[in-house]
Amino acid sequence: DTAVSQTPKYLVTQMGNDKSIKCEQNLGHDTMYWYKQDSKKFLKIMFSYNNKELIINETVPNRFSPKSPDKAHLNLHINSLELGDSAVYFCASSQEGIQAFFGQGTRLTVV
Amino acid sequence: QKEVEQNSGPLSVPEGAIASLNCTYSDRGSQSFFWYRQYSGKSPELIMSIYSNGDKEDGRFTAQLNKASQYVSLLIRDSQPSDSATYLCAVMNQGGKLIFGQGTELSVKP
Repeated sequence: DTAVSQTPKYLVTQMGNDKSIKCEQNLGHDTMYWYKQDSKKFLKIMFSYNNKELIINETVPNRFSPKSPDKAHLNLHINSLELGDSAVYFCASSQEGIQAFFGQGTRLTVV
Repeated sequence: QKEVEQNSGPLSVPEGAIASLNCTYSDRGSQSFFWYRQYSGKSPELIMSIYSNGDKEDGRFTAQLNKASQYVSLLIRDSQPSDSATYLCAVMNQGGKLIFGQGTELSVKP
């Protein structure tokens, strides 16, 4: 059983489109995250939810909107995609400061 | 100052040598520290966690934490070519944010 699963794994889309990435964890963790990893491999936190409540909202364009319908799911919706949004997006979950488990990543390419 | 800082490398060591990876962090109240390994095209995987000052050993890996100096390190003994990857230092700060350094690329030459 995959602990943290993201879909889709690859996403190629045109500028200006709207797209969503879904994430689910079956670990029973309370906290979920979205990270963006750029071409230089730097993992930058975007959002964090604890029990469906947004607790961390970094300086991210408001075209990015996370949604957590329950504590096992954290989705990321991106409006009006731009070339600079091309990156790998990772979902992760953790419990009370213990290690975070990562999904397999979604490679987003905006053309 | 970056919140979590690592030498970006690349760090190249011969097979069998000790690889030493270093990390500093800015939030003095941080309590949880992690080392992740990331192979190219894959997701980060946890290899070590450390929560108190001193050394923690797990097989060929030793994590060292010095909270007074705000310094975390990872030693890999008997380095193998399969250890070649990017190593990410991560720190959970007081606000519950898990922050990563920029990673150190390690290359182990046969």
